[in-house]
Amino acid sequence: GENVEQHPSTLSVQEGDSAVIKCTYSDSASNYFPWYKQELGKRPQLIIDIRSNVGEKKDQRIAVTLNKTAKHFSLHITETQPEDSAVYFCAASNTEDDMRFGAGTRLTVKP
Amino acid sequence: DVKVTQSSRYLVKRTGEKVFLECVQDMDHENMFWYRQDPGLGLRLIYFSYDVKMKEKGDIPEGYSVSREKKERFSLILESASTNQTSMYLCASSLSSEKLFFGSGTQLSVL
Repeated sequence: GENVEQHPSTLSVQEGDSAVIKCTYSDSASNYFPWYKQELGKRPQLIIDIRSNVGEKKDQRIAVTLNKTAKHFSLHITETQPEDSAVYFCAASNTEDDMRFGAGTRLTVKP
Repeated sequence: DVKVTQSSRYLVKRTGEKVFLECVQDMDHENMFWYRQDPGLGLRLIYFSYDVKMKEKGDIPEGYSVSREKKERFSLILESASTNQTSMYLCASSLSSEKLFFGSGTQLSVL
């Protein structure tokens, strides 16, 4: 089955700096890679996703890149703000299977 | 908006008790999932279901069972609760194996 590894486990940045979270996956059949943000005490919410036929996707200050050959994908947050502080989870799945998550990254943005 | 409702936000049970965690979704989603969330381990899949009366084991099914008698309801059952099942339990639903919608979670403590 799929195995997803996520790094770093914690990340602290200054407000305005960029943050990068990286994930690797093991199943070459995986073709859907979402990112979820979980604020303290709340449910995980989808923030951005990418499919295997696309190398990069951007939504305002958030971007995700995918390298299928290396089997890794990354979340990039630019111009970080205190409200970006949360736990971020990457995940991978294929249409035949269920979704597997990384262990999460706790991002702290210091004002 | 999709609504995924978990019946209890906090639950305290004793070792050996039978525990039912209920989850209901209102968007006619075929797929429903149960994850547990533990610090440093991310979201781990316990069981999932792609249709009524259908269930599949996830990565950590031991000590758990599920029931899906109706499309909108997916129940997680701990036949005999143990202290190592103390955790946050998250239910999710989706139309496919993409874009999960999560419930608010049930924090279960087994004493």
